Amino acid sequence: GENVEQHPSTLSVQEGDSAVIKCTYSDSASNYFPWYKQELGKRPQLIIDIRSNVGEKKDQRIAVTLNKTAKHFSLHITETQPEDSAVYFCAASISQGGSEKLVFGKGTKLTVNP
Amino acid sequence: DGGITQSPKYLFRKEGQNVTLSCEQNLNHDAMYWYRQDPGQGLRLIYYSQIVNDFQKGDIAEGYSVSREKKESFPLTVTSAQKNPTAFYLCASLARGRHEQFFGPGTRLTVL
Repeated sequence: GENVEQHPSTLSVQEGDSAVIKCTYSDSASNYFPWYKQELGKRPQLIIDIRSNVGEKKDQRIAVTLNKTAKHFSLHITETQPEDSAVYFCAASISQGGSEKLVFGKGTKLTVNP
Repeated sequence: DGGITQSPKYLFRKEGQNVTLSCEQNLNHDAMYWYRQDPGQGLRLIYYSQIVNDFQKGDIAEGYSVSREKKESFPLTVTSAQKNPTAFYLCASLARGRHEQFFGPGTRLTVL
């Protein structure tokens, strides 16, 4: 089955610096890759996603890149702010017989220091 | 935030007791999912349902049961067979033809 590896598990940056989180997946049939942000005690919120027919997507300070050949995708946050501090999860979607499932990485705890 | 709700927010259970977690959505989504979240483990899929009266096991279904009698509701029962049930439980839903899963606020279950 699908397996998603996420690195690093923790990341600390200074305000204004960039942050990069990387994920790899195992199933070449995966075709959708969302990133979720989860603040302490809250529900995960989708921040950006990318489909397998696209190599890069950007939304203001957040961007995601996908390398299908290497089976990895990355989240890039520029000009980080203290409110970016949270746990970030990557995921890969599997569609089988009309069912769709997400397999999640274990998360990256991002701390942005003022 | 509205659209998918979970209750209660906190739940305490004694060992050996079954407990049912509620998940309701008014988004008219066909698919619903239950995840378990433990520190450092990410989200792991327990059960999911694509349509009413049908559901499939996820990666960690042992010790759990579900039902899907109505499109809006997907309750999860944590049975006494679940060896380590203390965790944060998240419910999610998905519209047909879409990819984005929307999450409920979660229920934190503690076994005393």
